[in-house]
Amino acid sequence: AQSVTQLGSHVSVSEGALVLLRCNYSSSVPPYLFWYVQYPNQGLQLLLKYTSAATLVKGINGFEAEFKKSETSFHLTKPSAHMSDAAEYFCAVSAQGAAGNKLTFGGGTRVLVKP
Amino acid sequence: SAVISQKPSRDICQRGTSLTIQCQVDSQVTMMFWYRQQPGQSLTLIATANQGSEATYESGFVIDKFPISRPNLTFSTLTVSNMSPEDSSIYLCSVTGKGGFLGEQYFGPGTRLTVT
Repeated sequence: AQSVTQLGSHVSVSEGALVLLRCNYSSSVPPYLFWYVQYPNQGLQLLLKYTSAATLVKGINGFEAEFKKSETSFHLTKPSAHMSDAAEYFCAVSAQGAAGNKLTFGGGTRVLVKP
Repeated sequence: SAVISQKPSRDICQRGTSLTIQCQVDSQVTMMFWYRQQPGQSLTLIATANQGSEATYESGFVIDKFPISRPNLTFSTLTVSNMSPEDSSIYLCSVTGKGGFLGEQYFGPGTRLTVT
């Protein structure tokens, strides 16, 4: 069984400040991990993915995430927030080798960027 | 990544009626998924649809309420039957990515359903 916990349903950051979104996972087998972003009234867009290669993963729009097995974490960061980063972000996990390629999503974190 | 379209993009329906949502992909894919996103909530998987076989439903979702068709490798439909206000949600379809990374999925823009 897999689960994902995102700490903080809402995060407010100032433009130019660090964005840090926290994600902890639980998986009985080695996981694949993903961050998705959902802009208002749109579907989900894949930001980045961890698939057991490098533990530091770089994605689109300047985001990156680090897989830490010892902490069962996959936190998402961006050094400098932009107004266009205002959106909802979802962390998701899939179990390697699992039948059906199922994704389990966290509860989401809504990011507000203040000018 | 695959390009996915959904129809309708939004609809307002009366309780007791049914709505069929279409999902079209620009390439052939084996697995398609249907999700529900209730207002202010995360995504919940409804079912997995493979071409040529019956859809596999997650706990809490039944075929009579959410019948799914998968007639070919680029198309699927989800019907929300006998709707109630509790069915007001965004419904999204997704497909697995090329390259076979387990879990990597690409999503359609969603169908925003309001039931009155």
